[in-house]
Amino acid sequence: DAGVIQSPRHEVTEMGQEVTLRCKPISGHDYLFWYRQTMMRGLELLIYFNNNVPIDDSGMPEDRFSAKMPNASFSTLKIQPSEPRDSAVYFCASSRGTGFGTEAFFGQGTRLTVV
Amino acid sequence: AQSVTQPDIHITVSEGASLELRCNYSYGATPYLFWYVQSPGQGLQLLLKYFSGDTLVQGIKGFEAEFKRSQSSFNLRKPSVHWSDAAEYFCAVGGGSSNTGKLIFGQGTTLQVKP
Repeated sequence: DAGVIQSPRHEVTEMGQEVTLRCKPISGHDYLFWYRQTMMRGLELLIYFNNNVPIDDSGMPEDRFSAKMPNASFSTLKIQPSEPRDSAVYFCASSRGTGFGTEAFFGQGTRLTVV
Repeated sequence: AQSVTQPDIHITVSEGASLELRCNYSYGATPYLFWYVQSPGQGLQLLLKYFSGDTLVQGIKGFEAEFKRSQSSFNLRKPSVHWSDAAEYFCAVGGGSSNTGKLIFGQGTTLQVKP
């Protein structure tokens, strides 16, 4: 398996523009997570899905952030409008099942810079 | 509240020396504990995990960690550090009976290796 695939790897955009980050989870995994990594706050969970349904979005910082999972093999995280403080590395991760032995596998991340 | 604390933000060791990275957690249920490593510009790679059983767990790249419930700790160790071990290390907690792979991360410890 190719692992969790994120695109783009790097994104530079101007303040006010819409940004869309993409994630393809590992085939067969039914949980998908979006994390954000910043110097100030470290790694924080933004939202996660189970079987394409959002379960917990309490970590989404503002209404400018939205996430979707239209099918089992694709998810997007959208920021509209973007602001400089959104600059961070965004990670997608996926896992299979629950309970003993479950672990999350991470993508390479998308480094977002908002200027 | 669930939390993970990595007391050391930055550690420098000489190549060949032993290493111990500290991790303390606060978790109401049975914790599942993880150590991840992140090389510059890369995603997170799982080093090892603890779910139950033997409290000393072995991981990849010669790392091990010991779970001490009485101290709420899960310290990472390596007997002899290699220059390629320079990276950022994250301790994370998740789990309980409904473990899904959702994780709470510590702030990370940056390891520098001196030649």
